[in-house]
Amino acid sequence: DIVLTQSPALAVSLEQRATISCKTSQNVDNYGISYMHWYQQKPGQQPKLLIYEGSNLASGIPARFSGSGSGTDFTLTIDPVEADDIATYYCQQSKDYPYTFGAGTKLELK
Amino acid sequence: EVQLVESGGGLVQPGRSMKLSCAASGFTFSNYGMAWVRQAPTKGLEWVATISYDGSSTYYRDSVKGRFTISRDNAKSTLYLQMNSLRSEDTATYYCTRSSIIRGRVMDAWGQGASVTVSS
Repeated sequence: DIVLTQSPALAVSLEQRATISCKTSQNVDNYGISYMHWYQQKPGQQPKLLIYEGSNLASGIPARFSGSGSGTDFTLTIDPVEADDIATYYCQQSKDYPYTFGAGTKLELK
Repeated sequence: EVQLVESGGGLVQPGRSMKLSCAASGFTFSNYGMAWVRQAPTKGLEWVATISYDGSSTYYRDSVKGRFTISRDNAKSTLYLQMNSLRSEDTATYYCTRSSIIRGRVMDAWGQGASVTVSS
């Protein structure tokens, strides 16, 4: 199985930049596509898609969210952080079954 | 508006069965793969199973293989998860998700979830 590693938590100040990393145990690229996606989950809510294929912004998601990376190293950036962004963020790979998620990074206010 | 509405959750004893349903609307159901993802209390997300747009292909995580069956009825725009021989470790909120074939198989829409508790 492909293992995705995220830091458990990140403390950030409002209006600053947050950078959340996700490292995979195997390459999740194939034919120029990164099978890496990012989701936001707030307490008591279902996850919401933010970024797909490594760097593509999902519909309706503010431009302060961006994704980058390839191969085994990926990053979700929120710039600037707003109060509404306080949540847990998950990366997920869909290159191979079983699909796997990172353990999540909880974004907290400093 | 894309909507996925799960139903069928609740409390069930270990070893018994339960069937979850997911009613889809707002998109052409038969054009999309579908999947179930679960989340145990206070834990992270865990993919459970995926079914292709026409139901011809299914995929499962090892821990549910042989116990769970994912299926779909395209005429009713409904996804199912039949869960047999349930264990305490299957306790979780189960999310129905839409899987986009052309966007790296991303799960781009999620239901609100159905809670399943396996306990005696």
